[in-house]
Amino acid sequence: RKEVEQDPGPFNVPEGATVAFNCTYSNSASQSFFWYRQDCRKEPKLLMSVYSSGNEDGRFTAQLNRASQYISLLIRDSKLSDSATYLCVVNRMDSSYKLIFGSGTRLLVRP
Amino acid sequence: NAGVTQTPKFQVLKTGQSMTLQCAQDMNHNSMYWYRQDPGMGLRLIYYSASEGTTDKGEVPNGYNVSRLNKREFSLRLESAAPSQTSVYFCASVQAGAKNIQYFGAGTRLSVL
Repeated sequence: RKEVEQDPGPFNVPEGATVAFNCTYSNSASQSFFWYRQDCRKEPKLLMSVYSSGNEDGRFTAQLNRASQYISLLIRDSKLSDSATYLCVVNRMDSSYKLIFGSGTRLLVRP
Repeated sequence: NAGVTQTPKFQVLKTGQSMTLQCAQDMNHNSMYWYRQDPGMGLRLIYYSASEGTTDKGEVPNGYNVSRLNKREFSLRLESAAPSQTSVYFCASVQAGAKNIQYFGAGTRLSVL
């Protein structure tokens, strides 16, 4: 079983739709959580960190449920430019600062 | 602002050839990482360097070696390339303590024939 699991998608939604992705992680020692965005054939870039209380950045909302060990990302009012792969990432807080990446969920926003 | 710079961007090798992938960061970060990304597999950690002078194996180190030349530079070497090493390679760096946000280079696309 992978340490970080995501539905690979693709999620195919019209512009303006609301879409949600979930991610589960298996290591309860995970301490930090992130969503990265990766465009086709480009490097991953940080979209947002995920805090225990939940956090919002414009149209994007991230939630963390430590008890159930899952993380979610909600995108409201989807834009064509949101089409990308979204990577769920967790960090075990040890001296190596290693990140564990999910395989990603692909989002396609159509006109 | 260059951030993390990787060279080369593309490379084609024949089986058995060797090469070194270069990575440099100008953000004064302590930790640096090498990943490979294959379709459907996500990013897998090959080697990392928590600080200058130290290197450690990640999830998939076989067939690779690394050198942390100084604080800025972290290179990845393939001594005898194999077709299974065809992949996209990303270098990343992080300033420990800064919420561990990793910054990535643009990647090296390597094909081994």
